[in-house]
Parts: sequence; structure tokens; C-alpha cells
Amino acid sequence: NFMLTQPHSVSESPGKTVTISCTDRSGNIARNYVHWYQQRPGSAPTTVIYENNKRPSGVPDRFSGSVDSPSNSASLTISGLQTDDEADYYCQSYGSSTFWVFGGGTKVTVL
Amino acid sequence: QAQLVESGGGVVQPGTSLRLSCAASGFTFSTYGMFWVRRAPGKGLEWVAFISSDGNYKYYGDSVKGRITISRDNSENTLNVQVNRLRTEDTAVYFCARGKGYSGSDFDAWGQGTLVTVSA
Repeated sequence: NFMLTQPHSVSESPGKTVTISCTDRSGNIARNYVHWYQQRPGSAPTTVIYENNKRPSGVPDRFSGSVDSPSNSASLTISGLQTDDEADYYCQSYGSSTFWVFGGGTKVTVL
Repeated sequence: QAQLVESGGGVVQPGTSLRLSCAASGFTFSTYGMFWVRRAPGKGLEWVAFISSDGNYKYYGDSVKGRITISRDNSENTLNVQVNRLRTEDTAVYFCARGKGYSGSDFDAWGQGTLVTVSA
């Protein structure tokens, strides 16, 4: 079974950049696409990055995604941090035996 | 624009059953695989169940396997899930979500969720 591990929380000041990691402890992050969701309190999740590095329509280019196979990690980077970015962020991927797996989530706090 | 609206949540006692529904509109429901995802209080998102567009394939998460049945009615554009032998740890907001048509896709549309509280 594969698991996706994220930091519990990150915080930064407005205008700065934060990067959230998502590590596949089984060592095969490239097994399938990694997607990222933003969930604000009381709201449904929304996709901010899909297929490793693509942005849905309407998501600002301050959001970017990448995958690094040697470190078995994916990353979500939010640049020019805004107060509106304060939310929980989840990575998600798919495995043929474990099916759809979410990371534990990272709470982003804008100081 | 895709719209998903869940219903059926509430407060239920441990050991009982609950059926949740999701009404879909704004897209051709019968051509999309559909999911249930939940978020327990203080916890993260957890995939619960999947059903293929034609209803022939169903997969369940380990924490609910054996207690849950997902179904759909493509003529009524409705997704359902029944959870049996409810446990306190099933307390969560349950979301229905849409997939893009292949296993590794993201969930590109979500409902607002329905709260299930399992408590004696």
C-alpha cells in the first residue's frame, strides 16, 4: 500500500512563497499523476493543480506543481501568498491496488 | 456547469444504517465515474467509494469495505451510498465527487457535502 505524507502545517507572511511537499514513502511517486486540492473551512475541496503541474481554469498562476522522482515527492508552491490562500491543501494520487489516496493534508496559515 | 447536491445526512446511532444521495446536474451524468469522499472532524480527506459510469465496477476504501454499497441511477442522475453498521468513526462530512474519465484523474467537481454524525 502506498501512502502520501505531507507536513501538518506551514506558515508564511503575505507576499512570500510556501512550498508543500507530498512524499510517497513506498518510493514510486511517478506511478500516477499527483493532484492538489484546496479546502477552505466549511467548503468543498477544489482542484488547484491536476496531472502534476496543470492549473484548472480560474486558478491563478501563483499556484504551481511539480514532481521529483529521485526524492519520490511532489510539491505545491504558492507564490505571492495572499490571505485568501489560507486553507487546507491535499495531494492525491492513484494506485492500482490502493486506488485513490489522499495525503494527510497541510494547513497553510498566512501570518 | 456541473452541480452536485448531497442529502441524507443526520444524527444516527451506532450500529444503524444510513443512505446518502447525490443529485447531479449540468453534465452528462451517465458518462462519468463517481466517488464518495469523506472528511472526519479533525482529520483529512478519505476516499470511500467509486462507481464506474455504467455502474458495473465498484471499489471501496478499506475502512468501510463490507459495510458500504455504492449505486447509481443514470436515468435519474442520482448517486447513492448506503453505509451499514455505522461506527462513531464514520462521523464525517460526506462529499460526492466526479472523476474525469480515467482512474488517475482528479476529482473535478464536488458537492457541498452532507454531515453524518454517529452518536449514541
